[in-house]
Amino acid sequence: GENVEQHPSTLSVQEGDSAVIKCTYSDSASNYFPWYKQELGKRPQLIIDIRSNVGEKKDQRIAVTLNKTAKHFSLHITETQPEDSAVYFCAASKEDTGFQKLVFGTGTRLLVSP
Amino acid sequence: NAGVMQNPRHLVRRRGQEARLRCSPMKGHSHVYWYRQLPEEGLKFMVYLQKENIIDESGMPKERFSAEFPKEGPSILRIQQVVRGDSAAYFCASSPLSLGANVLTFGAGSRLTVL
Repeated sequence: GENVEQHPSTLSVQEGDSAVIKCTYSDSASNYFPWYKQELGKRPQLIIDIRSNVGEKKDQRIAVTLNKTAKHFSLHITETQPEDSAVYFCAASKEDTGFQKLVFGTGTRLLVSP
Repeated sequence: NAGVMQNPRHLVRRRGQEARLRCSPMKGHSHVYWYRQLPEEGLKFMVYLQKENIIDESGMPKERFSAEFPKEGPSILRIQQVVRGDSAAYFCASSPLSLGANVLTFGAGSRLTVL
């Protein structure tokens, strides 16, 4: 089955710096890679996703890159702000006949200091 | 659209009791997923259901755990004879039927504490 590894487990940056979180996956058939942000005690919320037919996707300060050959994908946050502080989870799945069984990474705790 | 609704938000049980967690998917969503999040860990897939059908329960513990999604009413995750190790946040998610639009939307979670 799919296995997703995520690094680093914690990341501390100064406000305005960039943050990069990296994930690798094992199943070459996986073709959907979302990123979720979870604030303390809250639900995971989708912030960006990418499908395997593209290599990069950007949404304002957030971007995701995908390298299918190497089976890794990364989240990039530029101009970080204190409200970006949260736990970020990557995930991978094989979109197939409507079944979306996400396998999550172990999470990265991002702390943005003012 | 009220989103994915879960209740109770917090549940305290003593060892050996039963826990029932309920999930109503978003309007128009026909797929329900249950995930478990242990403290300081990621989310682990438990089960995927459609109305009246369990499609994939590969992440469910073999004993004490069961799930259903009846024709009418919410999906229910049932844990019998709870133990301390069952203490976790249980998140329900739903998605629509359309292929290629399977973005999971999570509920606020039900936090189970077993004393």
